[in-house]
Amino acid sequence: NAGVTQTPKFRVLKTGQSMTLLCAQDMNHEYMYWYRQDPGMGLRLIHYSVGEGTTAKGEVPDGYNVSRLKKQNFLLGLESAAPSQTSVYFCASRTRKGRDGNTGELFFGEGSRLTVL
Amino acid sequence: AQSVSQHNHHVILSEAASLELGCNYSYGGTVNLFWYVQYPGQHLQLLLKYFSGDPLVKGIKGFEAEFIKSKFSFNLRKPSVQWSDTAEYFCAVNVFRSSASKIIFGSGTRLSIRP
Repeated sequence: NAGVTQTPKFRVLKTGQSMTLLCAQDMNHEYMYWYRQDPGMGLRLIHYSVGEGTTAKGEVPDGYNVSRLKKQNFLLGLESAAPSQTSVYFCASRTRKGRDGNTGELFFGEGSRLTVL
Repeated sequence: AQSVSQHNHHVILSEAASLELGCNYSYGGTVNLFWYVQYPGQHLQLLLKYFSGDPLVKGIKGFEAEFIKSKFSFNLRKPSVQWSDTAEYFCAVNVFRSSASKIIFGSGTRLSIRP
């Protein structure tokens, strides 16, 4: 059981380049999230999705786009990368409700470290 | 907008010392509360969670947390820390609504344990 898989794990971009981060989960989870982690700022929510074909903005959505064409995949795109987007990006997924009927636990990927020069 | 505050950015303790990490959130409605841990070089893992009922919840590795609704707090505690507890700890809140289900994290507390 792979859980949540992120690709690529490392990437270096030049300012203005575009790229896509892929998140794949094999747990049939409804909800998926993209966070960025920066020193002293914790995890900040970029975008999230509550189901196939639906996405919503989080706390820091500017400069990013997302798509959820398939339930198991959640793509994060940077159309024109900026140095301020240098960060570690984490994808997470969860069920709508856990076995106890409450909010499902978040399962995280291992992170993607992006550097924009 | 809801927010989560962790006021301790870096805590340094000796082994066997007691630990308490603060977490406050700003939302008056029903919330689900979590503590996650990130060991060096690893991704986040769930430590414990609170949904309802007994406000004192116990998690893995001897951690516990107490939900105090009147103070909007969910502090993490451990009676006696070990060197292996060195990690970054994140408090998170799920604002319970029928639609959107955002999970918001605090800025994290880095815990360093001196052997």
